[in-house]
Amino acid sequence: RKEVEQDPGPFNVPEGATVAFNCTYSNSASQSFFWYRQDCRKEPKLLMSVYSSGNEDGRFTAQLNRASQYISLLIRDSKLSDSATYLCAVNSNSGYALNFGKGTSLLVTP
Amino acid sequence: SAVISQKPSRDICQRGTSLTIQCQVDSQVTMMFWYRQQPGQSLTLIATANQGSEATYESGFVIDKFPISRPNLTFSTLTVSNMSPEDSSIYLCSVAGRGYTFGSGTRLTVV
Repeated sequence: RKEVEQDPGPFNVPEGATVAFNCTYSNSASQSFFWYRQDCRKEPKLLMSVYSSGNEDGRFTAQLNRASQYISLLIRDSKLSDSATYLCAVNSNSGYALNFGKGTSLLVTP
Repeated sequence: SAVISQKPSRDICQRGTSLTIQCQVDSQVTMMFWYRQQPGQSLTLIATANQGSEATYESGFVIDKFPISRPNLTFSTLTVSNMSPEDSSIYLCSVAGRGYTFGSGTRLTVV
């Protein structure tokens, strides 16, 4: 089993739609969780950290379910500019580096 | 968050040659991480570079192929040695902070 798994998509949604991505992780001892956004031919950029109680940043909501070992990202009122690949990341066994999922591609259409 | 300057941004290299990638951070950091992202794939950790000690390599990556230097707390290099077309990839450095920050990546094509 891979350490971090994501549905690769692609997700094609119309503007204004709500879309959710899930990511599962295998290391039950993991403590740090993140969602990154990666645009084509660019480096990943931190979208948001994921906290145990869940957290929200504008149209974006992140949730953590430790019992089931998954994290989720909800995007409300999708914009064309949200089109990108979304990567989840979890701290590695060493605790220092991050392990990444393969990413979920999102295309928001007019 | 730290700002990382990575270069070169891209290169096309002949097989059998070596390429050294540099990352400069605008602040002192204890650990720097080197990742590879192959086409259509996610990021794979190559090694963790600590200042003053040898880098720690992940399974499948060896020092002879990917030597790393970390001469101080703001700088690191990764060399891709004796390149083959299979080494064509994007190479990224990263540092921890509030979240993890990445350099802009080096797009390597080996012909």
